Amino acid sequence: QKEVEQNSGPLSVPEGAIASLNCTYSDRGSQSFFWYRQYSGKSPELIMSIYSNGDKEDGRFTAQLNKASQYVSLLIRDSQPSDSATYLCAARYSGSARQLTFGSGTQLTVLP
Amino acid sequence: DAMVIQNPRYQVTQFGKPVTLSCSQTLNHNVMYWYQQKSSQAPKLLFHYYDKDFNNEADTPDNFQSRRPNTSFCFLDIRSPGLGDAAMYLCATRAGQGASYEQYFGPGTRLTVT
Repeated sequence: QKEVEQNSGPLSVPEGAIASLNCTYSDRGSQSFFWYRQYSGKSPELIMSIYSNGDKEDGRFTAQLNKASQYVSLLIRDSQPSDSATYLCAARYSGSARQLTFGSGTQLTVLP
Repeated sequence: DAMVIQNPRYQVTQFGKPVTLSCSQTLNHNVMYWYQQKSSQAPKLLFHYYDKDFNNEADTPDNFQSRRPNTSFCFLDIRSPGLGDAAMYLCATRAGQGASYEQYFGPGTRLTVT
């Protein structure tokens, strides 16, 4: 069974700190990875996608991918209270051109 | 401007009373998805369409059906809702072959079953 695993949290960080969110996946052949932010009662919003090993930066967000370790992470620099949400990791598995497998999310709270 | 629109945003139905949820998109994307999400859980894929090609997940209950009359619209029909079907229903879209695999979600429909 292809799985995406996340620590459910809650993860609490003080305002201005770096929040580090982690995700592991079971299918070594996975090609594409995504981070979604979901505020309580709202739908998921795509914030980052990453396809190659290494780091990808977008503003305060950095996604990191290590295919050898089957590990994806999201770093949020200068965390703000508005970053408080659940962060969903998703992977596109090999042989599945159309579907994503989602983790159940990590709840992040940024404390003022 | 909203790109993936879902109506209604909140739906209350009675146990066993059929309900239809709708999704429309202005992105002209080939692929449309329906997910069910319960509290603190991952979105669970119910169906997806690639153009008119319908794909049903193996564990999607027969109680759930879908229609896609054209590129822009997709509907989720729940024939006889049970209490366990109370959830957020999410519609998502993706551009077709050759494009990225990013999926974009609508705002969701919160379904309550009484």
